[in-house]
Amino acid sequence: QSALTQPPSASGSPGQSVIISCTGTSSDVGGYDYVSWYQQHPGKAPKLIIYEVFQRPSGVPDRFSGSKSGNTASLTVSGLQAEDEATYYCGSFGGSANLVFGGGTKLTV
Amino acid sequence: EVELVESGGGLVQPGGSLRLSCAASGFTFDTYAMSWVRQTPGKGLEWVSAISASGRSTYYAGAVKGRFTSSRDNSKNTLYLVMHGLRVEDTATYYCARVLGEHCTGGSCYVPAYWGQGTLVTVSS
Repeated sequence: QSALTQPPSASGSPGQSVIISCTGTSSDVGGYDYVSWYQQHPGKAPKLIIYEVFQRPSGVPDRFSGSKSGNTASLTVSGLQAEDEATYYCGSFGGSANLVFGGGTKLTV
Repeated sequence: EVELVESGGGLVQPGGSLRLSCAASGFTFDTYAMSWVRQTPGKGLEWVSAISASGRSTYYAGAVKGRFTSSRDNSKNTLYLVMHGLRVEDTATYYCARVLGEHCTGGSCYVPAYWGQGTLVTVSS
């Protein structure tokens, strides 16, 4: 069982928006602003798309946005495109030299 | 362009040992902390270890502490993970990853930003 809780699946039609949640505790998500999100296509390595809750690395479309409230972080994908179909993982610094991940959410477009 | 290439994976019996390597290029290796993250079909992503840019500080997940050792040779731009006492549950694809920024501090050292393609470790008799 993963440390952070994500819904196993999510879906949306092209052009729509979808929100994926990531719930932790005050010891990880709620305690630090080091929540990150990763996109993984089948057979590929994860790709960082959001870091420090809402920051986007260079080259990541602004259709991807992140937020946090209490112990729950969220990833919003707006204007869904076919290439957004992938599995999304959240990660959070958990203190005590520790990084924890969610179980992943498979997004179907 | 950042490139990370893992090698050394394979089939090993329970209780055996293995050394993974990660060859880095495209950036100043000795200014970035690095991590190992593994992935199994059933358990998703699991952080394994982190090592500071200098190599002087290392950190491990509870599941591997005492069995795995992370190190780096900054003169060779290479990261290593030596694994002893391997268990069936260590079976996974192992990724090395670089953090986002140079000279990271605190939690920012735990944001794997650039990932290699992974190397598969299978522990089975």
